[in-house]
Amino acid sequence: EAGVVQSPRYKIIEKKQPVAFWCNPISGHNTLYWYRQNLGQGPELLIRYENEEAVDDSQLPKDRFSAERLKGVDSTLKIQPAELGDSAVYLCASSPFGNTEAFFGQGTRLTVV
Amino acid sequence: SQQGEEDPQALSIQEGENATMNCSYKTSINNLQWYRQNSGRGLVHLILIRSNEREKHSGRLRVTLDTSKKSSSLLITASRAADTASYFCANGNQGGKLIFGQGTELSVKP
Repeated sequence: EAGVVQSPRYKIIEKKQPVAFWCNPISGHNTLYWYRQNLGQGPELLIRYENEEAVDDSQLPKDRFSAERLKGVDSTLKIQPAELGDSAVYLCASSPFGNTEAFFGQGTRLTVV
Repeated sequence: SQQGEEDPQALSIQEGENATMNCSYKTSINNLQWYRQNSGRGLVHLILIRSNEREKHSGRLRVTLDTSKKSSSLLITASRAADTASYFCANGNQGGKLIFGQGTELSVKP
């Protein structure tokens, strides 16, 4: 069974440019999370979906970040425009239901220069 | 910050020794989970303990939960070099969120 798939694995962009991350969760998982992880710190929740509905986006910087989950399956996270402080690893995870065991993808390491 | 605290931030031990990591959380929980992260990789789920449980075992892992103190501990017995990783606790709260602590970086020397 395939796990959570994220792409790209690495991305280097100049500040003020847009960037998008893609996530394909485990089939049948209703809950999808996007986290941001800075070096040496724990993952910080950005947004949580239950099926196609964003049920918790209180930590998402909405002035520059947006996300969508089409048909309750794949999800994309976009940053426009990117800032230097956005450099981090962006992790996607899915679980059958909220706050049960979560399965993580390998992450996308974003570097903004 | 919604994140809890983990203690110690870093731990270095010899192979064969036991490693204990502690976690405190702020909000009420439905469950408390522990994850491991190898350098440059995603997180891997280790064990989940429900709010009405006090202790749980899985192989060389033992997790305890004290809801009155809002704390949990993870014990890894007979550690191996392959256990070297960062370990995170995560609060699975009643709102459906999964909130992570700052992590403990464990180094097991052969």
